[in-house]
Amino acid sequence: DSGVTQTPKHLITATGQRVTLRCSPRSGDLSVYWYQQSLDQGLQFLIQYYNGEERAKGNILERFSAQQFPDLHSELNLSSLELGDSALYFCASHRGQGSSPLHFGNGTRLTVT
Amino acid sequence: GESVGLHLPTLSVQEGDNSIINCAYSNSASDYFIWYKQESGKGPQFIIDIRSNMDKRQGQRVTVLLNKTVKHLSLQIAATQPGDSAVYFCAEINFGNEKLTFGTGTRLTIIP
Repeated sequence: DSGVTQTPKHLITATGQRVTLRCSPRSGDLSVYWYQQSLDQGLQFLIQYYNGEERAKGNILERFSAQQFPDLHSELNLSSLELGDSALYFCASHRGQGSSPLHFGNGTRLTVT
Repeated sequence: GESVGLHLPTLSVQEGDNSIINCAYSNSASDYFIWYKQESGKGPQFIIDIRSNMDKRQGQRVTVLLNKTVKHLSLQIAATQPGDSAVYFCAEINFGNEKLTFGTGTRLTIIP
């Protein structure tokens, strides 16, 4: 168990809809990262937060947004969903400094029909 | 942009044999490297890491080698077991921009 919790585990929705994915980082970790993984593909970095502030942006679509709350949990909002948004979405947390690995949750599998 | 790539997308190894998974990286400024294992339906799991000031690091049945001259990273798994079957990703971090970049992954299959 990595200590990173993601909910829900599975999400099925229709095109055009909006969903919110949730992530609770490991206790004490200040940074949260979001990644997208399509079928049999690598992990594409979406966005990073550190202690409530946006730290870095990757290949995140304008239809997607995220935030990190004062209690350090994070939400990824996906709107105007398209079929191509179907993927696994992973959250990872990091203590925020030093040479230490990111720890990943088990992801949310999003299926857009 | 900078990228981390893998030489082979798939690798099959007989149970009990040793396996080596390779990774090439292009950012010579990367400070820290990590190997992750991802089993089906799960998130990437940390295996082992190495800082750029090191050449080799050993864990339990795993060894990571870093060759900065040719920008090459490898993961050696000794005495492979069926549970080692998974996709393995290398990743690099540049502390300057705190960006973690993943390779595309190698699927390791252990043949009983």
